[in-house]
Amino acid sequence: DTEVTQTPKHLVMGMTNKKSLKCEQHMGHRAMYWYKQKAKKPPELMFVYSYEKLSINESVPSRFSPECPNSSLLNLHLHALQPEDSALYLCASSQLLYGQGGSDTQYFGPGTRLTVL
Amino acid sequence: GDSVTQMEGPVTLSEEAFLTINCTYTATGYPSLFWYVQYPGEGLQLLLKATKADDKGSNKGFEATYRKETTSFHLEKGSVQVSDSAVYFCALSDPEGAQKLVFGQGTRLTINP
Repeated sequence: DTEVTQTPKHLVMGMTNKKSLKCEQHMGHRAMYWYKQKAKKPPELMFVYSYEKLSINESVPSRFSPECPNSSLLNLHLHALQPEDSALYLCASSQLLYGQGGSDTQYFGPGTRLTVL
Repeated sequence: GDSVTQMEGPVTLSEEAFLTINCTYTATGYPSLFWYVQYPGEGLQLLLKATKADDKGSNKGFEATYRKETTSFHLEKGSVQVSDSAVYFCALSDPEGAQKLVFGQGTRLTINP
């Protein structure tokens, strides 16, 4: 089973709202990722968690706040977003600890389509 | 740094045509190579992968061979179907480094009946 689930599938929010995106995997993977994908572009890495610890923050604005409550769950808290933050937000997971080295494969969820009004 | 270059799209073919999507890479080490597919309105799905030179990845009739001498990982399918219409991303990760995925720009494929 290589399933990563994400909720909600679609989200519309105003610039003053606070919302959260959720991601879950039950593959025993040790690393989890958040990506942002704009239309007709490849995904851009935002954050990486290894064993519930933040390993990478790719200079993401503080209005995006990640959280990893346990090794199977990953949240992305959203606050005071801008219209240009509208995008598809993808979660992924992989077996190895980030930076551990070795051949690894990332498995992606279906994404959350976010629209900021 | 590492990079991936894909053939520019969009690519439009008729059903049952032969497909090739070119992908070349630049990497200092010996990367693992991947093809991901993204159907309309969906996330990325792993299509196939190869982890060392001369490995052939295959899935759903698609194939790609890791060619170290030409630093290429071209995606091929002998007979495409309308359901293959999607965006295809070539990607690499460096096993010696932090396993960060480096994506190509993506190739949009449309198959007409």
